[in-house]
Amino acid sequence: DQQVKQNSPSLSVQEGRISILNCDYTNSMFDYFLWYKKYPAEGPTFLISISSIKDKNEDGRFTVFLNKSAKHLSLHIVPSQPGDSAVYFCAATLSNGQNFVFGPGTRLSVLP
Amino acid sequence: DVKVTQSSRYLVKRTGEKVFLECVQDMDHENMFWYRQDPGLGLRLIYFSYDVKMKEKGDIPEGYSVSREKKERFSLILESASTNQTSMYLCASKRGGLDEQFFGPGTRLTVL
Repeated sequence: DQQVKQNSPSLSVQEGRISILNCDYTNSMFDYFLWYKKYPAEGPTFLISISSIKDKNEDGRFTVFLNKSAKHLSLHIVPSQPGDSAVYFCAATLSNGQNFVFGPGTRLSVLP
Repeated sequence: DVKVTQSSRYLVKRTGEKVFLECVQDMDHENMFWYRQDPGLGLRLIYFSYDVKMKEKGDIPEGYSVSREKKERFSLILESASTNQTSMYLCASKRGGLDEQFFGPGTRLTVL
């Protein structure tokens, strides 16, 4: 049973518009959440993170929102660019940061 | 920049062969991880190590073993490869605490 879920396997967005990627988790003990981006034939690269004591973290075009009561987080990309086309993985970890649990990923396609 | 390297990008082996996948990181990270990535399943943790000669089972350790004789090197061993071990294998490393993981480029293993 997956502890971290990304229910949309794929998403297509027009260039310049907002991309919203969603992630749900089941373990209320998760304390820290991360988003990774993966291009084909490359390893995932870290994008942005958020601690459970916050509800929002922003870095340039990327913002992550956390709703602890709903066990839900989302990644907003605005404006979306063609270079953002990749697979996005949501990950969660406990407070010791030792073991990350990854979701199945969402493939984002940004259309020019 | 952290660099995580994996010994092979592509590997083809026969059923029953012993397979070694090597991973080296150059940033003196304490923690190292082996994942496999399969479509629809995301990244699943096989084993991780938080110190030299220490290892912990992840979510899917069956059929695999690991070795960490030096801090910078973490090896994944398939004692007797099977076709259901055909997958993308990703190595990662990180410092202690709530810090992101840095991934290698991956090894695509095909077992015939």
